[in-house]
Amino acid sequence: NAGVTQTPKFQVLKTGQSMTLQCAQDMNHEYMSWYRQDPGMGLRLIHYSVGAGITDQGEVPNGYNVSRSTTEDFPLRLLSAAPSQTSVYFCASSYMGNTEAFFGQGTRLTVV
Amino acid sequence: EDQVTQSPEALRLQEGESSSLNCSYTVSGLRGLFWYRQDPGKGPEFLFTLYSAGEEKEKERLKATLTKKESFLHITAPKPEDSATYLCAVHGSSNTGKLIFGQGTTLQVKP
Repeated sequence: NAGVTQTPKFQVLKTGQSMTLQCAQDMNHEYMSWYRQDPGMGLRLIHYSVGAGITDQGEVPNGYNVSRSTTEDFPLRLLSAAPSQTSVYFCASSYMGNTEAFFGQGTRLTVV
Repeated sequence: EDQVTQSPEALRLQEGESSSLNCSYTVSGLRGLFWYRQDPGKGPEFLFTLYSAGEEKEKERLKATLTKKESFLHITAPKPEDSATYLCAVHGSSNTGKLIFGQGTTLQVKP
C-alpha cells in the first residue's frame, strides 16, 4: 500500500495563477481532509469529505475548492493564488470519523 | 469552542533524561485523542490513539496517558533519534474525521 500520496511535492506560483494539488489514497478510506501548516499556527483544516460526493468547509476554506468524485481522490484547487496561501499543505485520510488519520508527505507551495 | 493547547513549545533534553509533554484539550464530546510525530519536511506520523480517561498506550520509549482534561506523552531515556515535533490532536463532537491540532512541541535530544 502506498498510503496517502500527494503531488506535487513543491510548487511555485505567481499571484493570480490557479492550480490543483492532488491527493490519492489506496486504503479505501471514506474520510479525507486537507490541512495547511504555517509556522506558529499549527495544522488548520481547509476542507473535508466524509465520502464520495460529500464535502464541507473547515476552518480556513476561503480561496480553495474541493470535489470528491471517487473514494480514492480528493483534489484541492486554488482558484487565484495569493501570497497568503504560501504554506505547506497536507492531505489526510481515515477509515472512520473517530479513528486515526494518515497523512501524505505534503506539498510546499510558494506564491510570489 | 474545541481547543487543544500543547506545552512546552520546545524542549531540549540530554540523552537519557526522561520528561513529559503536555496536551490540554477542551472539547464538547471527545471522540478520540491522537499523538503524532512529525520530522522536518515530512507529514505527521501516527503514534497513539486514546479514547477514554485512564487509558494508556506504550511504544518503545514513549507512553501516552489520558485524563478528562489533558494527555501526557512521557518519554523515557530518550535518544537523539527521538528528536522531532510531537503533535496532539482531538476529534470533536461531530463524526466527520475533522481533527483539531495543538501547536506542537519540538523536542531536541542531545547526545
